[in-house]
Amino acid sequence: NAGVTQTPKFQVLKTGQSMTLQCAQDMNHEYMSWYRQDPGMGLRLIHYSVGAGITDQGEVPNGYNVSRSTTEDFPLRLLSAAPSQTSVYFCASSKGTGLDEQYFGPGTRLTVT
Amino acid sequence: GENVEQHPSTLSVQEGDSAVIKCTYSDSASNYFPWYKQELGKRPQLIIDIRSNVGEKKDQRIAVTLNKTAKHFSLHITETQPEDSAVYFCAASKRNTDKLIFGTGTRLQVFP
Repeated sequence: NAGVTQTPKFQVLKTGQSMTLQCAQDMNHEYMSWYRQDPGMGLRLIHYSVGAGITDQGEVPNGYNVSRSTTEDFPLRLLSAAPSQTSVYFCASSKGTGLDEQYFGPGTRLTVT
Repeated sequence: GENVEQHPSTLSVQEGDSAVIKCTYSDSASNYFPWYKQELGKRPQLIIDIRSNVGEKKDQRIAVTLNKTAKHFSLHITETQPEDSAVYFCAASKRNTDKLIFGTGTRLQVFP
């Protein structure tokens, strides 16, 4: 099993550009989530999904969109990048709910200039 | 809303000593408390978790204690080793949801 994979590893965007961060898991997990990690602020939940076709907002959803058309994939879209979105983004999945062990991907380091 | 405070932000110990990291949470309905370890440049990984129906859980050199009355929980690492050096995050579940609220992290350095 590859576990949770994310692409790209690094990305530089200009303000106003849009892009999609990819996340996939091959463990047949129902729950998937996106976090951002900023220095001194821990991990903050952006959006999550409890299964294909179902998504919901986390703590910091503004400026991001998600969809979950399959169990395996959970892409995160930045609609119009801003410098405040410079961060490391982690995708995670768990078997049942967010209250089970979450398996994190390797992360995407995003810089917005 | 739910808030999780974590202390200290940095902790330095000598190899073989114990390390304790403490977290407090604000929502009395929180019922799940995991701890994640993140080595430099790596992804977070679960090291231990506890649910609100138990007061203590142990796994080799790692233990977690939960005090629901005081709304705090702690991570205890005994006989620390250099490979324990990492950032440790606590988290608590948010009322009536399966979302996690993370603390701000503790950077643990174990000196040989």
